[in-house]
Amino acid sequence: DVKVTQSSRYLVKRTGEKVFLECVQDMDHENMFWYRQDPGLGLRLIYFSYDVKMKEKGDIPEGYSVSREKKERFSLILESASTNQTSMYLCASSPLTATTEAFFGQGTRLTVV
Amino acid sequence: AQSVTQPDIHITVSEGASLELRCNYSYGATPYLFWYVQSPGQGLQLLLKYFSGDTLVQGIKGFEAEFKRSQSSFNLRKPSVHWSDAAEYFCAVGAPGTYKYIFGTGTRLKVLA
Repeated sequence: DVKVTQSSRYLVKRTGEKVFLECVQDMDHENMFWYRQDPGLGLRLIYFSYDVKMKEKGDIPEGYSVSREKKERFSLILESASTNQTSMYLCASSPLTATTEAFFGQGTRLTVV
Repeated sequence: AQSVTQPDIHITVSEGASLELRCNYSYGATPYLFWYVQSPGQGLQLLLKYFSGDTLVQGIKGFEAEFKRSQSSFNLRKPSVHWSDAAEYFCAVGAPGTYKYIFGTGTRLKVLA
């Protein structure tokens, strides 16, 4: 069964902290994504990666960075967390281009206080 | 520019009633179309997808969707809604030759007993 696993369901962090959100997929997919989900705004793409060590900015990359050292793992990094980064973060993976469906993790709800 | 519009932010139906969720897209060529469902606090699960062929596609949980090129629409339907269908529904477009998916802002479905 296809699986995308995010390391935490809920996180509470303080303003200014460096935050790591981890995502692992077991499907040998080339592509991995990080989305941010906010009410009324839908899913907004932060970063995506189409290969190991390869990454591209999405629509809202400011304040975030990513790391993909291994094919199965894609990390989202908040260099200095701020309250406006309080949100639901969703990781996804897909095997090919956007002509095939993406598979999503269960999400991480991050609260920055 | 590619875009996806879900005009209904909230929809409320009674259990057993029929359901139609609207999705309109803007894309220059034949798009790859997806419907996802998100239960509270969870990630997104694929309901169905359209790539080509028969314009009426069947998905999981008794859902179907119809692709209408002339109207640039891909509306999701279910003949009889169950209380467990209460969730948020997202329409998405995948662009051939790219890695990115464009998501609508979602429609939140409430089901009355």
